[in-house]
Amino acid sequence: SYVLTQPPSVSVAPGQTARITCGGNNIGSKSVHWYQQKPGQAPVLVVYDDSDRPSGIPERFSGSNSGNTATLTISRVEAGDEADYYCQVWDSTSDHFWVFGGGTKLTVL
Amino acid sequence: EVQLVESGGGLVQPGGSLRLSCAASGFTFRNYDMHWVRQVTGEGLEWVSAIATTGDTYYPDSVKGRFTISRENAKNSLYLQMSNLRVGDTAVYYCTRLNSSAYDYWGQGTRVAVSS
Repeated sequence: SYVLTQPPSVSVAPGQTARITCGGNNIGSKSVHWYQQKPGQAPVLVVYDDSDRPSGIPERFSGSNSGNTATLTISRVEAGDEADYYCQVWDSTSDHFWVFGGGTKLTVL
Repeated sequence: EVQLVESGGGLVQPGGSLRLSCAASGFTFRNYDMHWVRQVTGEGLEWVSAIATTGDTYYPDSVKGRFTISRENAKNSLYLQMSNLRVGDTAVYYCTRLNSSAYDYWGQGTRVAVSS
């Protein structure tokens, strides 16, 4: 079973840069997608295929993926970015073909 | 505008059954694989079923044999028949559209509670 590991929480001051990691065995060989979920709402796709942004997602959201770690970077963090963030990959060898990380709570101080 | 609207959630006793529905609009439904993803309150996301455009279906071991995903392209609808429900199936169930390997649209979710 393929496991994605995220830190439970990340804190950052407004205007600073937040980096949320997603660890997995040779994750650099996979396409990683990131979702933002605010309380009481459905998740929203913010980065797909490692580093692409859906239309309507601010350029402040970016992604990278190499080796055993993928990273979601949020620049110039705003209060409205406070949310849970999940990474996700597809893995044909896993029981759960579509695998999610455990999620990271981003707190804006 | 793409919309996914779930319905059918509710309270059911352990061992009972429930059928969830998802009404899709704003896109050519038959051209997309569709999935159900669930979330236990306060916890993370878990994929629970998938149906391809071909009609092929996929499930994780945790629900295999108990859940059945289906689609009716003529009605732009997705379904999840859940049987032999367990307390651990209590969650919000989201209907999602798969684009490549990412979920680009999600419904608002429907809540399922399994309790005696």
